[in-house]
Amino acid sequence: DTAVSQTPKYLVTQMGNDKSIKCEQNLGHDTMYWYKQDSKKFLKIMFSYNNKELIINETVPNRFSPKSPDKAHLNLHINSLELGDSAVYFCASSRIAGGVKNIQYFGAGTRLSVL
Amino acid sequence: AQTVTQSQPEMSVQEAETVTLSCTYDTSESDYYLFWYKQPPSRQMILVIRQEAYKQQNATENRFSVNFQKAAKSFSLKISDSQLGDAAMYFCAYLGSSNTGKLIFGQGTTLQVKP
Repeated sequence: DTAVSQTPKYLVTQMGNDKSIKCEQNLGHDTMYWYKQDSKKFLKIMFSYNNKELIINETVPNRFSPKSPDKAHLNLHINSLELGDSAVYFCASSRIAGGVKNIQYFGAGTRLSVL
Repeated sequence: AQTVTQSQPEMSVQEAETVTLSCTYDTSESDYYLFWYKQPPSRQMILVIRQEAYKQQNATENRFSVNFQKAAKSFSLKISDSQLGDAAMYFCAYLGSSNTGKLIFGQGTTLQVKP
């Protein structure tokens, strides 16, 4: 059983399209995250939700909109895709948001390619 | 703002030998947590080891251990008896005490293990 699962694993699309990436965790965690890994492998947090409430919103274009229908799901919707959005997007979850018990478990990533 | 620096883009080690990956960080907080994550070619992010800043004792997990020097703001990872499966990109990460779960990652170090 996959603890944090993301779909799809690969996404190839044209500039200007709208796409979504889904994330689900079956660990019973309260906090979920989206990270972006760019072409140089640099990882940076985008969003964090705790009990369906947004607690981190880094400087991300508002074309990116996370949605958390319940504690186990955090989806990422991207409007008007641009070439610079090409990256690997990771979903993660943790039992709590702070402290050393904040062990974040990552999904396998979604490689988004914008043509 | 906190920063994490990994100054070694690439390292290589002979199988069964020991290698140390460097990480330095900058923070004004006194309470924080440090992590090493491994990203093999499969892309999955895997937690290797974690350290609470208030603990003087260095963390160990089987063949993995850290050298945590709080005053120097240094957090290196030592891998003993290196195995081919250790080949991966390793990320040092910082978690502050803000209870948001925001992990700040270093640039990563690619470790090659030679048979």
